Amino acid sequence: SQKIEQNSEALNIQEGKTATLTCNYTNYSPAYLQWYRQDPGRGPVFLLLIRENEKEKRKERLKVTFDTTLKQSLFHITASQPADSATYLCALGSGNTGKLIFGQGTTLQVKP
Amino acid sequence: DTAVSQTPKYLVTQMGNDKSIKCEQNLGHDTMYWYKQDSKKFLKIMFSYNNKELIINETVPNRFSPKSPDKAHLNLHINSLELGDSAVYFCASSLGLHTGELFFGEGSRLTVL
Repeated sequence: SQKIEQNSEALNIQEGKTATLTCNYTNYSPAYLQWYRQDPGRGPVFLLLIRENEKEKRKERLKVTFDTTLKQSLFHITASQPADSATYLCALGSGNTGKLIFGQGTTLQVKP
Repeated sequence: DTAVSQTPKYLVTQMGNDKSIKCEQNLGHDTMYWYKQDSKKFLKIMFSYNNKELIINETVPNRFSPKSPDKAHLNLHINSLELGDSAVYFCASSLGLHTGELFFGEGSRLTVL
């Protein structure tokens, strides 16, 4: 069955460092991959989308890579700030139904 | 203006009761979804509608019935509530079926006692 794995353990880093979050998947060939941010008690907020034919996407301090051979996406936040502390979810999509399959998320804690 | 709004935000009820959660989006999107987030934080899709037409109906008990009176609204009705239905239910919308990005509501936390 389709499976998405994100680091279940929280990631703690120091302010100013680069945070790198991992999303691995199996038994799936997604057409695109998305990253969302979720704060406690709030709904997920879309951050970035990368398609299967793209290797890398950037948006301000965010960078996403997508390796369909390794079946892995890396999500980087450069010059991290305490305000970046949240849970980050990766999601895979394909086909024409709009269906997204989500990972369980990785909680990032940026310490001042 | 809230883009995707759902009510109520909190719902506490007894087993066996019937309850509804309402969702409205003012983004002009064609597609709407219901997702369930359990205690382990996994977000799982339940249903999706595109222009009032049911597109996705995952393996969800028949006690759950979505209704889309128009493309801006997608409600979720749950009959005979069970303890295992306790979760946070998120409504979301997207421009269309192929556009990827989802806009989520703030969630409705359902607690079944």
